[in-house]
Amino acid sequence: NAGVTQTPKFQVLKTGQSMTLQCAQDMNHNSMYWYRQDPGMGLRLIYYSASEGTTDKGEVPNGYNVSRLNKREFSLRLESAAPSQTSVYFCASSEGGGAPDTGELFFGEGSRLTVL
Amino acid sequence: AQKITQTQPGMFVQEKEAVTLDCTYDTSDPSYGLFWYKQPSSGEMIFLIYQGSYDQQNATEGRYSLNFQKARKSANLVISASQLGDSAMYFCAMRGHNTNAGKSTFGDGTTLTVKP
Repeated sequence: NAGVTQTPKFQVLKTGQSMTLQCAQDMNHNSMYWYRQDPGMGLRLIYYSASEGTTDKGEVPNGYNVSRLNKREFSLRLESAAPSQTSVYFCASSEGGGAPDTGELFFGEGSRLTVL
Repeated sequence: AQKITQTQPGMFVQEKEAVTLDCTYDTSDPSYGLFWYKQPSSGEMIFLIYQGSYDQQNATEGRYSLNFQKARKSANLVISASQLGDSAMYFCAMRGHNTNAGKSTFGDGTTLTVKP
């Protein structure tokens, strides 16, 4: 029972490098999300995808791009990494699907990214 | 827009006692859901409890209950009979069902420490 799988779990980048965080869910969920969590703080929404084929900005989208590749997969790309993007990144999914989405978020284990 | 406020950065409770973690919210959506998540030191996010804005009764899940006061815009988490394993960070979150559909917003969290 994999749930939400995100890779890589750890990554160190130099300023200006690019990378993609991958996320896949096997629960047939419609909605997927990317959050970042800075030390001692809550989760801030970067981007979300309410359904396959749609993506929307969250609270902190600058410096990131996303792709909803299919219903299962939702990737997050940093085109030119900056030290301010050092954080733990969580992918999550929920049932979604039109009617009010009352389902809880299912989270991946997180990806710890350090930008030097 | 929607916002979650958790005013208690840290809380202590004696083992076997009850504890209340505070959460207030603000939203422009007439219909919304409120969630609590637990994040142990290992880092994963664990769903605890859900309350819909039109639910007539307060939600309960085992030792967790949600004290929902709609007029005061509060959704406090009550943990009864605290256990050492309850030591963790706790996040209140909400998701609107209208304008803010799809956007799950989190508070900054409360760190709970259970003393033996």
